Amino acid sequence: GAGVSQSPRYKVAKRGQDVALRCDPISGHVSLFWYQQALGQGPEFLTYFQNEAQLDKSGLPSDRFFAERPEGSVSTLKIQRTQQEDSAVYLCASSFRQGNSPLHFGNGTRLTVT
Amino acid sequence: TQLLEQSPQFLSIQEGENLTVYCNSSSVFSSLQWYRQEPGEGPVLLVTVVTGGEVKKLKRLTFQFGDARKDSSLHITAAQPGDTGLYLCAGENTGGFKTIFGAGTRLFVKA
Repeated sequence: GAGVSQSPRYKVAKRGQDVALRCDPISGHVSLFWYQQALGQGPEFLTYFQNEAQLDKSGLPSDRFFAERPEGSVSTLKIQRTQQEDSAVYLCASSFRQGNSPLHFGNGTRLTVT
Repeated sequence: TQLLEQSPQFLSIQEGENLTVYCNSSSVFSSLQWYRQEPGEGPVLLVTVVTGGEVKKLKRLTFQFGDARKDSSLHITAAQPGDTGLYLCAGENTGGFKTIFGAGTRLFVKA
């Protein structure tokens, strides 16, 4: 497909486990964003990549959260030692360029920490 | 810190009614975007407004950007059940590196 693809669609983790969430952006899109969306809320910015460079990680809640995009395409968001408050939908978005460029979102990964 | 406040948070109306939702900030944005999100899916872009005072129409939806580029509104005429969803406004911060979102207005249109 031509859209942003995220996997897995759903993830259940026991508290303390590590998880890895994958995002395949639209081919050729320079910018890639990760957002966290709690139930009934708007997406909260986590981090931003321009190609392989992570230019802004100011939204990552703690040092348990880590994101990478080593070849400027696929990105992985890793959460170590998951806690119940990490339960949320994690959305990935890509855009063709930086600045006034619409975001194309995937359908998200719903993470539930038990 | 740039924040976007949306109102109302929740709106339940009858089919055929008109409605307006608002997006306000104390900060200036280079552009504002409106997205619509349905359950289990990611947000989908409806429109981008760039120029202060700009008005854009998309069928029964009218979007306006405030003159000072700090606020925006979305007006829906003759709402239909298919308009049901979460409406999100979003703005690019002045650095242009990230787009921030409001908390959204959840609209429910009853047939």
